[in-house]
Amino acid sequence: AQRVTQPEKLLSVFKGAPVELKCNYSYSGSPELFWYVQYSRQRLQLLLRHISRESIKGFTADLNKGETSFHLKKPFAQEEDSAMYYCALHGGSQGNLIFGKGTKLSVKP
Amino acid sequence: KAGVTQTPRYLIKTRGQQVTLSCSPISGHRSVSWYQQTPGQGLQFLFEYFSETQRNKGNFPGRFSGRQFSNSRSEMNVSTLELGDSALYLCASSLDRVRYGYTFGSGTRLTVV
Repeated sequence: AQRVTQPEKLLSVFKGAPVELKCNYSYSGSPELFWYVQYSRQRLQLLLRHISRESIKGFTADLNKGETSFHLKKPFAQEEDSAMYYCALHGGSQGNLIFGKGTKLSVKP
Repeated sequence: KAGVTQTPRYLIKTRGQQVTLSCSPISGHRSVSWYQQTPGQGLQFLFEYFSETQRNKGNFPGRFSGRQFSNSRSEMNVSTLELGDSALYLCASSLDRVRYGYTFGSGTRLTVV
């Protein structure tokens, strides 16, 4: 079965510290993976897609098929990064995105 | 260009009633998906429509239904409401295949009392 696991419900770091939000997936084929972010009182929005190999707001994520992971990283956290982060998987057989339960990132001053 | 628009923003209904939620996708987007978001279960897929056809359906009871019109606008309906249906219902649109990612609306907050 297709599944996305985000093991941390809450991650708290200090401003300027590195951040890594973990995401593991279960899918036998070639997955397409995404990170979505939801800032306080705002709608859920796409942060980045693994197919684009992009860096958005200093965040990057590398797909590791061997470890079935797609961790989100940022070298220096900012207070404005505080938000809820969701990892999502698109598997070929289903048209929908499957979301993890999310990790709340809190960046303290 | 305008984003994904969902109406109404808030709804309060009584158990046993039915409700209809509306979603207008981004212009040019033909795929509309619906999700239920709750604190306990997170984001759960309801269904996806593409060119007026239901393309995928999640594991929800038949009380949950939807449709898409020729202008890509979509509605979802929940009949015989239960307390457990209280949630934020999110609509998302995409150009075609989901691989390009969704654009989400702000959601409709449904409270069943």
